[in-house]
Formats: sequence, C-alpha cells, structure tokens
Amino acid sequence: GAGVSQSPSNKVTEKGKDVELRCDPISGHTALYWYRQSLGQGLEFLIYFQGNSAPDKSGLPSDRFSAERTGGSVSTLTIQRTQQEDSAVYLCASSPRLLESSGANVLTFGAGSRLTVL
Amino acid sequence: DAKTTQPTSMDCAEGRAANLPCNHSTISGNEYVYWYRQIHSQGPQYIIHGLKNNETNEMASLIITEDRKSSTLILPHATLRDTAVYYCIVPPGYSGGGADGLTFGKGTHLIIQP
Repeated sequence: GAGVSQSPSNKVTEKGKDVELRCDPISGHTALYWYRQSLGQGLEFLIYFQGNSAPDKSGLPSDRFSAERTGGSVSTLTIQRTQQEDSAVYLCASSPRLLESSGANVLTFGAGSRLTVL
Repeated sequence: DAKTTQPTSMDCAEGRAANLPCNHSTISGNEYVYWYRQIHSQGPQYIIHGLKNNETNEMASLIITEDRKSSTLILPHATLRDTAVYYCIVPPGYSGGGADGLTFGKGTHLIIQP
C-alpha cells in the first residue's frame, strides 16, 4: 500500500478483555516495528520483526503482550486481560531494510491505534 | 534507554531559524543519526538523516560534529506549523546491537511563537 495502515484507529474496551491491533506495512518493507505512546510521553519501543521473526522481545511490557507477523506482511499486536495502564496510542512503523543492514533505513509510521481501557 | 539526549523544550520566533541539538556520544562508526517529528495526534514523520557529512533537504539541514558525538537539526525559516516534538535517534548499525537505539525518548518540544 501507499503507507502504513493501522486498525482500529480507536478502540475502547473493558478491563480484562483481550484486544488485537493490526498493522499493514508498506508493501515490500522487510522490517516492522511496534511502539507505545502513553499520554504526554515519548515513544516506547516494544518489538520489531525482520521478516516474520522477532529477534528481541524484551521490550514487551509484560507476558500479556504478544505480537506476530505472518507472510512477511501484516502484523498483529495482542494484549490479553487488558489493564487501565495499557491505555495508550500504539504505533506501527515499517522500513525497507533489515534492522542490521548496512546503510540508511528510514521508518515510516502509521497513524496509530488509540486504546482506551475502562 | 535511548542513546540520545535532547532538551525537553525550546521556543523559536516565527521566521527565524530553529536549531535543535542532540547528543549521541556513544555513536558507532556505522550508525546513522535520524530526525523525526511528531505533530500532535499524528504518527512521527521522517525529516532527515546523516552519517558523517552535513545534509540538507527540502525540510531541514543536519549538522553533524566532526567527532559525530552531537548534531543539530536546523529549520531555516520556522513557521507555526513546525510546532511539534522533534526526535533524534541513532538506530543500531550493521554491526548489530539489537533494538537498543530504537527508543525515541521524549524528544524536544519545539514551540514556534508568532
């Protein structure tokens, strides 16, 4: 696609429910990244994918968070048993090259998914 | 933790040049410096990047010190629409290092005054 697409743009859920956030990267982009931005805070790195593989999951806040990417394209971020502190904007980005490739590597971000946990 | 440090906020008068500093003292030889900005309620937008040499594009100029331990983003004629949070990041280069350096931190909140 022309840009990084995220859905839903807005999600309101009740505490304890599971939510799934989707990211559709730019076609052909090899690497995909998930970030979280709480109100008034910077971008907190969560996880990245090189193809379908996530080499480093240490940025995920807890074991309630998981992410997968299939077919080297769409990725889903799943939050189980949501808590109020999970309320944030979840941003996805993609880039044309692998993270550890040589040369420049520009990230293109989506508009984000705003999650509100009541 | 982010590998860069930036001032929390800065003001600049409309029409003047805005100079945003960034320290990245632990940068490695193959790592690029990238600048992004985030306008309220939008996803971050790429501005410019550089390795050693100064760079210029239609949005901004990037000045990198000779030792590469710091850089300055220059918006030559700031407008009200340039009010945003500006992030400086140094992602890991091809020698590895995992995802350290992908955290954007809080950036610099640049406020353009009319």
